[in-house]
Amino acid sequence: SQQGEEDPQALSIQEGENATMNCSYKTSINNLQWYRQNSGRGLVHLILIRSNEREKHSGRLRVTLDTSKKSSSLLITASRAADTASYFCAPTTGANSKLTFGKGITLSVRP
Amino acid sequence: GAVVSQHPSWVICKSGTSVKIECRSLDFQATTMFWYRQFPKQSLMLMATSNEGSKATYEQGVEKDKFLINHASLTLSTLTVTSAHPEDSSFYICSALAGSHTGELFFGEGSRLTVL
Repeated sequence: SQQGEEDPQALSIQEGENATMNCSYKTSINNLQWYRQNSGRGLVHLILIRSNEREKHSGRLRVTLDTSKKSSSLLITASRAADTASYFCAPTTGANSKLTFGKGITLSVRP
Repeated sequence: GAVVSQHPSWVICKSGTSVKIECRSLDFQATTMFWYRQFPKQSLMLMATSNEGSKATYEQGVEKDKFLINHASLTLSTLTVTSAHPEDSSFYICSALAGSHTGELFFGEGSRLTVL
């Protein structure tokens, strides 16, 4: 398994602004997943993008994947205070491979 | 989506006692579950992979005799912290593979253990 490296470590924005979070990884993947963790809670799966996809949308979320650069980005549009959380990316190399997580990105959305 | 229930949500125990944490998949069968621990303001650290009907696979540095994992059915995995000490105080989170081909995990809400 490999863990992604998220960037920036912390991000503070005003409600209504867009939030862009980045993830880099080292070796080839089958897919890449993004998760959110609210303080003191478990993780929630947000979106999965396969290695043969370049962009995917889900509501206010937009994920891109550039396998040549081994990087992904998560864009949250029109952010809300409720989006305040930690965000983690998880590159996956197999269907049943274990997921390991990096330090994540702490997003603060100011009302 | 699939639901994973973790119990208890929080537990306080005396040093030297053992604590059992349960992780249940409520609406799907999970042949594989994972256990993580998380210290304040840090990321999740994978402790072990729990496989139904077989022994768990522990990550390097995790004591298997300290953290007993049992996955006796397709819907239940348990983590027992044996002879707990204050340094075992942490947030323990389980997750389960829902049988998809993508590796998507569904997480429990976590269990906060405080050892006095």
